[in-house]
Amino acid sequence: ETGVTQSPTHLIKTRGQQVTLRCSSQSGHNTVSWYQQALGQGPQFIFQYYREEENGRGNFPPRFSGIQFPNYSSELNVNALELDDSALYLCASSLGRPPRGGYTFGSGTRLTVV
Amino acid sequence: ELKVEQNPLFLSMQEGKNYTIYCNYSTTSDRLYWYRQDPGKSLESLFVLLSNGAVKQEGRLMASLDTKARLSTLHITAAVHDLSATYFCAVGDDKIIFGKGTRLHILP
Repeated sequence: ETGVTQSPTHLIKTRGQQVTLRCSSQSGHNTVSWYQQALGQGPQFIFQYYREEENGRGNFPPRFSGIQFPNYSSELNVNALELDDSALYLCASSLGRPPRGGYTFGSGTRLTVV
Repeated sequence: ELKVEQNPLFLSMQEGKNYTIYCNYSTTSDRLYWYRQDPGKSLESLFVLLSNGAVKQEGRLMASLDTKARLSTLHITAAVHDLSATYFCAVGDDKIIFGKGTRLHILP
């Protein structure tokens, strides 16, 4: 059983650029949640996808968008990057609503915006 | 809107001592999670508490949930240096919301 895989692990972008982060969910999981964790802070909920549909969104602007594919993998896209977007982006997968067995987190993508 | 508060936010303690981290939340939920995070790393699941009165223990850590009081505790018994990390609680029935974390530093 594979865990949650995120790519890339590290990324440096320039302000104003666009970025796409990828997440492969754990085998058998159908729900993916994305979180942003700024340095020294707790993870902030961005949005969740359940069976390819958005299932809730946190307090993030529309330039944060996502998609979930039929194999339940997911991408997070951020347009018009700002310096404050620098953070660790975490993906978590789970099975069912509410999830049975909790959430499994990936290792994260460290995004630096310069 | 669900809010999750942890306290203390920072804790420095000696090895061998006991201490408790508190997690309060603002709306009704029967599901609470505790995670550990080491510097620069992702989140490691410690406990999943799914009902009122749930208590789980793993080694020197014990977590409990009181849904009526909207309170969970993470108790550390006879702390050792290896437990130094940041501990997060997260609450939610469908999507989980995290507290700000408790940075635990255990002095050898």
